[in-house]
Amino acid sequence: EVQLLESGGGLVQPGGSLRLSCAASGFTFSSSAMTWVRQAPRKGLEWVSAISSGGSTYYADSVKGRFTISRDNSKNTLYLQLNSLRADDTAVYYCAKGRGKYYDLPLDYWGQGTLVTVSS
Amino acid sequence: DIQMTQSPSSLSAFVGDRVTITCRASQGISNYLAWYQQKPGKGPKLLIYAASTLQSGVPSRFSGSASGTDFTLTISSLQPEDVATYYCQKYNSAPPLTFGGGTKVEIK
Repeated sequence: EVQLLESGGGLVQPGGSLRLSCAASGFTFSSSAMTWVRQAPRKGLEWVSAISSGGSTYYADSVKGRFTISRDNSKNTLYLQLNSLRADDTAVYYCAKGRGKYYDLPLDYWGQGTLVTVSS
Repeated sequence: DIQMTQSPSSLSAFVGDRVTITCRASQGISNYLAWYQQKPGKGPKLLIYAASTLQSGVPSRFSGSASGTDFTLTISSLQPEDVATYYCQKYNSAPPLTFGGGTKVEIK
């Protein structure tokens, strides 16, 4: 059974940093592209960042230069480093598995999300 | 960037009704279109990809179609468990892989 478990969310002040993790199991993590999607309170889904199985990275303009996606295939874990956080980064952050090794594929499994709140 | 416009933003229908949700791309995306279902407090679930291919395990009352830059998700007979918000997403190359604004489906 595919499982994705996000962690690392919490309350952080504007300008602060946070690292999100996503522990994966039930599939060959190293062969799958992975993606972060966020959802602000009472809003829709926003694609944030993705990483291919080979390690190529992609970002939304809204987070480019502030967020960094990475993966550790030895630990079956996906990460998202969030720096220079702003109030409009407040959201539930979901990790999701791609249907293959490239980032531009549908997302066939999602985690339950972790809440990031940016507030003073 | 390619924009994805979903309509309606919400709808209410009776159990057993046929429900249709539309997603329009601002540019051609071939058939690189997926539909997701999100229930409150949960992560989204993939329903359809490649515009019309049903994901494994998804009930056959869900279907998708495409005509140019217009895409449609149809629920042939609405069930109580289908109450959710539905999103389209384009996934052709070149980020961002944009989502539509969502359609909230409720039971009358």
